[in-house]
Amino acid sequence: EDQVTQSPEALRLQEGESSSLNCSYTVSGLRGLFWYRQDPGKGPEFLFTLYSAGEEKEKERLKATLTKKESFLHITAPKPEDSATYLCAVRLWAGGTSYGKLTFGQGTILTVHP
Amino acid sequence: DGGITQSPKYLFRKEGQNVTLSCEQNLNHDAMYWYRQDPGQGLRLIYYSQIVNDFQKGDIAEGYSVSREKKESFPLTVTSAQKNPTAFYLCASSLSIRVGVYEQYFGPGTRLTVT
Repeated sequence: EDQVTQSPEALRLQEGESSSLNCSYTVSGLRGLFWYRQDPGKGPEFLFTLYSAGEEKEKERLKATLTKKESFLHITAPKPEDSATYLCAVRLWAGGTSYGKLTFGQGTILTVHP
Repeated sequence: DGGITQSPKYLFRKEGQNVTLSCEQNLNHDAMYWYRQDPGQGLRLIYYSQIVNDFQKGDIAEGYSVSREKKESFPLTVTSAQKNPTAFYLCASSLSIRVGVYEQYFGPGTRLTVT
């Protein structure tokens, strides 16, 4: 069964303490990996799309990377406002009529203390 | 401003009642989706629609129904047949699957509580 696993489940950092979140997937035919940020009680906010191993994307203090079996979301010098749940999702190849179904991981809850 | 709106933000219903959640988008996106989010679980796909007047079941469609009469609107009805309807419901849209654009953008969500 195709699976998406995020680790750790929760991460507590001090302001300025850089770290990484992991998203690993046991799927075949990956056709895109997506990162989202979700604040409590709100809908997910799109961050990045990665399509091929070796690809990297950056936005402010966030940098997403992709290998053949996992993706990392690196957070450099985080601030308290970076506290949120970070979700990853994968899209699989499903034939010519693929509708773009995303399979989501359970998320990593990031808390950044001042 | 372009975006996705969901209403209401909070919804309370008695067990046995059907309830309809609204989702509207003005992004001119072709595809729309409904997800359910429960604590400790990832988002699960309920229904999706690639074009007007067409929709398909997702992974957990039992007890739900949808319609897609307009490009901008994709309402979700939670029927009395849904055994555990209390959850956070999220609507999403994406530009055009046909041209290979798959990023999904989400609305603010509706929290449904059934007692």
